[in-house]
Amino acid sequence: DTGVSQDPRHKITKRGQNVTFRCDPISEHNRLYWYRQTLGQGPEFLTYFQNEAQLEKSRLLSDRFSAERPKGSFSTLEIQRTEQGDSAMYLCASSPGLAGISDTQYFGPGTRLTVL
Amino acid sequence: EDQVTQSPEALRLQEGESSSLNCSYTVSGLRGLFWYRQDPGKGPEFLFTLYSAGEEKEKERLKATLTKKESFLHITAPKPEDSATYLCAVKGSGGYNKLIFGAGTRLAVHP
Repeated sequence: DTGVSQDPRHKITKRGQNVTFRCDPISEHNRLYWYRQTLGQGPEFLTYFQNEAQLEKSRLLSDRFSAERPKGSFSTLEIQRTEQGDSAMYLCASSPGLAGISDTQYFGPGTRLTVL
Repeated sequence: EDQVTQSPEALRLQEGESSSLNCSYTVSGLRGLFWYRQDPGKGPEFLFTLYSAGEEKEKERLKATLTKKESFLHITAPKPEDSATYLCAVKGSGGYNKLIFGAGTRLAVHP
């Protein structure tokens, strides 16, 4: 079990550029989540996949943000036309998708985005 | 709307000085309350899940308890390596499986 991995760990970009982040969940976890965390705050939910289906999106997720999980394994989060307000830590989590209430989310190390 | 409030925002302890962190929540249909630990620049690390009032869980120097309106994370005889931000989150019946987090408590334990 190698845990959730994210790539890159750090990204610096200029305003207006597009960026893409990748998340590899724990193997055999069929649920995958994206969160965003700014300094001094807790993570905020962005979106959720069960296998390849995107089942929930936050109101925070503007039309500049898009996420995919094409084969139900890894996921990508793309931000188009980045703005300085997009600067944050982007966290990915996965869970096994157990029936009932016991379904713990395990987080990756995050991707730190800085928009200049 | 589901909401989580953590207090205090920051806590400074001497090594060996026990204390408690508070997590107050409002949620429709609690499906779990979660505690995570987060070190600077890293992702949250899972500690505990609590499901019903009266439930308690322990791990080393940490003990989490749950009532119908709040949860406490008790830290007994803390060590400097316990220094971190402790995050509380809830999963409610609204929405699929998203977690609603509090802002966290920054704990610093000094030798």
